[in-house]
Amino acid sequence: AQSVTQLDSQVPVFEEAPVELRCNYSSSVSVYLFWYVQYPNQGLQLLLKYLSGSTLVKGINGFEAEFNKSQTSFHLRKPSVHISDTAEYFCAVSGEAGTALIFGKGTTLSVSS
Amino acid sequence: GAVVSQHPSRVICKSGTSVKIECRSLDFQATTMFWYRQFPKQSLMLMATSNEGSKATYEQGVEKDKFLINHASLTLSTLTVTSAHPEDSSFYICSATTTGVVETQYFGPGTRLLVL
Repeated sequence: AQSVTQLDSQVPVFEEAPVELRCNYSSSVSVYLFWYVQYPNQGLQLLLKYLSGSTLVKGINGFEAEFNKSQTSFHLRKPSVHISDTAEYFCAVSGEAGTALIFGKGTTLSVSS
Repeated sequence: GAVVSQHPSRVICKSGTSVKIECRSLDFQATTMFWYRQFPKQSLMLMATSNEGSKATYEQGVEKDKFLINHASLTLSTLTVTSAHPEDSSFYICSATTTGVVETQYFGPGTRLLVL
């Protein structure tokens, strides 16, 4: 069975500071890894995904994540956040093609000035 | 990119009534659609997997007779909440995948259901 653990439920940061949102997964098979962002009362928007290849993945809005197989992690980073980055962020894992995503519990990123 | 729509975006209904939520893939054929449920300030929980032309596969604990799923075409799946009760109030989100493409799910914008 697969599972996803987001280690921080809330991350408060100041504008223009760097941020890292942590995600660890467990799986007995090869995985596909995803980060989604959800703004209030909206659906999910894909930030980035790791399917194969380079372990450093760049996504939209200046976010990037690094797949670390030995540590079973897929942490999300941004070197300088904006107020508009305030949202809920979900890490997700998928195993075999065509299967549903397993989501972490989410991390609330709060950016203040 | 691929677009998935949901209708309605918000619905309020009386307890005991049924509500139908539509999920459409607008510019691609979705052989598989997933239905998730999200309670306030919580994560998304998979309810069921819907494959075109076959019966949906429900997750453990999800009542198949209460949450009826129909995937009649490659672009449309519907979720009907039958005899809705206040505890069914939630945010329902669908997603769709295509075959022959690397693993990516496209999410709909969600439907907010409030049962009074």
